[in-house]
Amino acid sequence: AQSVTQPDIHITVSEGASLELRCNYSYGATPYLFWYVQSPGQGLQLLLKYFSGDTLVQGIKGFEAEFKRSQSSFNLRKPSVHWSDAAEYFCAVASGNTPLVFGKGTRLSVIA
Amino acid sequence: DSGVTQTPKHLITATGQRVTLRCSPRSGDLSVYWYQQSLDQGLQFLIQYYNGEERAKGNILERFSAQQFPDLHSELNLSSLELGDSALYFCASSPSTGGMQPQHFGDGTRLSIL
Repeated sequence: AQSVTQPDIHITVSEGASLELRCNYSYGATPYLFWYVQSPGQGLQLLLKYFSGDTLVQGIKGFEAEFKRSQSSFNLRKPSVHWSDAAEYFCAVASGNTPLVFGKGTRLSVIA
Repeated sequence: DSGVTQTPKHLITATGQRVTLRCSPRSGDLSVYWYQQSLDQGLQFLIQYYNGEERAKGNILERFSAQQFPDLHSELNLSSLELGDSALYFCASSPSTGGMQPQHFGDGTRLSIL
């Protein structure tokens, strides 16, 4: 069965610092990979997605993610974090017609 | 604004009761998905409908049921409620079906069982 692991439950970074959120997946077939962000009291918003092609994908709000098949990873990055980026981030995977499987999420705190 | 509308935003009820959560998908989207989000289980897929037909089933309890109507809105019915059903319930929609379809989420319904 497919699974998604986000090893970091909570990360704290300083405003202006770089960010990397880790995501590892377990799936036999070529996965479709997604990152979503959830702000308090709101639903999930799609940041970016990867299906095929260039392994570095750009998303909204200055985020990017890199697909590394050899490491079964799809880490999310941002060069300079803003206070408004504080939220919960979810990595998700699907394949074929399978429903999305989400990781447990990583809560990002941003300090001044 | 994702374009997905969920009502009500909050629901407080007692054990043993039955509630109905409603979802209106984005204009043009044919697929509707329901998820349950709780602190211990995370975000769990419950069920998917596509153009009125059940398409996929996840960890949905027998006490829960859903349907999608001809106008494409969907309802999630939860019955014989237990304390453990307290959670945030999300609806998402996508244009079609298939794993590569990005899903757009509503703001959720927070269900509290007293």
